[in-house]
Amino acid sequence: GQNIDQPTEMTATEGAIVQINCTYQTSGFNGLFWYQQHAGEAPTFLSYNVLDGLEEKGRFSSFLSRSKGYSYLLLKELQMKDSASYLCAGRDFYNQGGKLIFGQGTELSVKP
Amino acid sequence: GAGVSQSPSNKVTEKGKDVELRCDPISGHTALYWYRQSLGQGLEFLIYFQGNSAPDKSGLPSDRFSAERTGGSVSTLTIQRTQQEDSAVYLCASSLEADFSYEQYFGPGTRLTVT
Repeated sequence: GQNIDQPTEMTATEGAIVQINCTYQTSGFNGLFWYQQHAGEAPTFLSYNVLDGLEEKGRFSSFLSRSKGYSYLLLKELQMKDSASYLCAGRDFYNQGGKLIFGQGTELSVKP
Repeated sequence: GAGVSQSPSNKVTEKGKDVELRCDPISGHTALYWYRQSLGQGLEFLIYFQGNSAPDKSGLPSDRFSAERTGGSVSTLTIQRTQQEDSAVYLCASSLEADFSYEQYFGPGTRLTVT
């Protein structure tokens, strides 16, 4: 089976750092994605990890541990515009078509 | 360049009616995906196309749902005899190819409300 778990909501302060965790169980594993979705808008791609370790992209970083079935998204120097839903999605090895299995999303609220 | 477009942006229909939702992928993208997002829920995979063929229809909730893609481009998702539980945002995404870890680019979605 396939399952992606992430916290439902988080709150953080402008300028701070926040870490959004994601755990997954899939029949096989072939990559983990993070997307950002503002209310009423389409999800936009943030990061992709297929190997263990940290991928850094400006204020956003994503980490993967395949042995633990665990990933996190790290957001630094938080800005008000970072208030959004953050979606963790896994790709199953057996689904060669690139179908993504999404978690429910983590609603992040950034407060002044 | 142009992103993924979907139409209509909003659709209100009566229970029992059929609806068609359209997706225009990014030019040159061979893979196309349909997802739906119910209120407070994560994205749920419905079906994907590689070219005009649909190797994975496993997410279609019932036989009332069907999709086709012609010319390797535009796709239409059809829901027959709509039910209230079909109310959701239907999102389309495309990527360069299906078999590699190319990112999926999402369209703005069609918000379907079944009354």
